[in-house]
Amino acid sequence: QKEVEQDPGPLSVPEGAIVSLNCTYSNSAFQYFMWYRQYSRKGPELLMYTYSSGNKEDGRFTAQVDKSSKYISLFIRDSQPSDSATYLCAMRVYNFNKFYFGSGTKLNVKP
Amino acid sequence: DGGITQSPKYLFRKEGQNVTLSCEQNLNHDAMYWYRQDPGQGLRLIYYSQIVNDFQKGDIAEGYSVSREKKESFPLTVTSAQKNPTAFYLCASTAGGALRFEAFFGQGTRLTVV
Repeated sequence: QKEVEQDPGPLSVPEGAIVSLNCTYSNSAFQYFMWYRQYSRKGPELLMYTYSSGNKEDGRFTAQVDKSSKYISLFIRDSQPSDSATYLCAMRVYNFNKFYFGSGTKLNVKP
Repeated sequence: DGGITQSPKYLFRKEGQNVTLSCEQNLNHDAMYWYRQDPGQGLRLIYYSQIVNDFQKGDIAEGYSVSREKKESFPLTVTSAQKNPTAFYLCASTAGGALRFEAFFGQGTRLTVV
């Protein structure tokens, strides 16, 4: 079993839709959680990062962490064609600099 | 601007050749990483380094080698022992610690065996 599971998609939505992207994990020691956006043939770009449980909002993006369920989510409101990319979740434990990545979800926002 | 620079962007390797991928960062980060990305497989860790002159093998280190002689540089050599080197290679770094825990990535090097 992988430590981080992420549905690869592809996920196709119309412009303006609310998008929900999710990851589950098995290691209860994970405390730091990140979401990256990766356009084709480019390096991943950090979108959101959160510590422990709760919500964090930044513009159209909301990151949510539920440690009791070992489940994290990224919500995108008013999705745009420019949001079309692969979204990677990542996490790590406190005081150890090794990252664990999901395999990525490919999102396509149709105009 | 601070960031991570990978070069070259595209690299072609003949069978049996060693090639070296460059990664330089000016973020003053302690930890640096090399990942390999294949379609549908996400990121796989090749090597990582927490401090200068120290590095550890990741999950797929066979056929690769690294060095960390300077804080800002972490080059990756793909040796002839790596049987399937065609992939997208990503370098990353992090400041580490509790306050700045996120990783930052370079723009990647696409390596193709010809």
